[in-house]
Amino acid sequence: QKEVEQDPGPLSVPEGAIVSLNCTYSNSAFQYFMWYRQYSRKGPELLMYTYSSGNKEDGRFTAQVDKSSKYISLFIRDSQPSDSATYLCAMGSSASKIIFGSGTRLSIRP
Amino acid sequence: SAVISQKPSRDICQRGTSLTIQCQVDSQVTMMFWYRQQPGQSLTLIATANQGSEATYESGFVIDKFPISRPNLTFSTLTVSNMSPEDSSIYLCSVASSGTLQGYTFGSGTRLTVV
Repeated sequence: QKEVEQDPGPLSVPEGAIVSLNCTYSNSAFQYFMWYRQYSRKGPELLMYTYSSGNKEDGRFTAQVDKSSKYISLFIRDSQPSDSATYLCAMGSSASKIIFGSGTRLSIRP
Repeated sequence: SAVISQKPSRDICQRGTSLTIQCQVDSQVTMMFWYRQQPGQSLTLIATANQGSEATYESGFVIDKFPISRPNLTFSTLTVSNMSPEDSSIYLCSVASSGTLQGYTFGSGTRLTVV
């Protein structure tokens, strides 16, 4: 079993829809949770960072961490074509060593 | 956050040759990281480059295959040695942002194809 599982997609939704991206993990020691966005032919870009449990909101993006279920989510409201990218979750028990999910390809249809 | 310049952005190489990838950061950073991203797969950490000491390699990666230099706090190189088609991948350098608690910044990557 992988330490971090992420549905690879692809996920295609119409513009304006709410998008839900998810990851599950197996290591209960994980405390640092991140979401990265990666456009084609670019490096990953940090979107959201959460320490321990709870929700964090930044504009149209909301990150949720449920440590009891070992489940994290990223919600995108009012999705735009510019949100089309691959989204990677990342997490770790140490801030200096994180493990990435395999990424979910998201496409927003105009 | 730090700005990373990575080059080359892409290359096509013959098997058996070596390629050196450069990573330049616009600020001094303690740790630099080298990742590999194979198609449809997650980023895999190759090694952590520390200034003034040997790089720390992850399981499955060895110095003879992926020698790393870190001559100062703003620069690092990764060499992919004696390449085979299995080395075709995207290679990314990364630095931790402000004490690592704020995530990581990545370069734009080097897309390597070995023929």
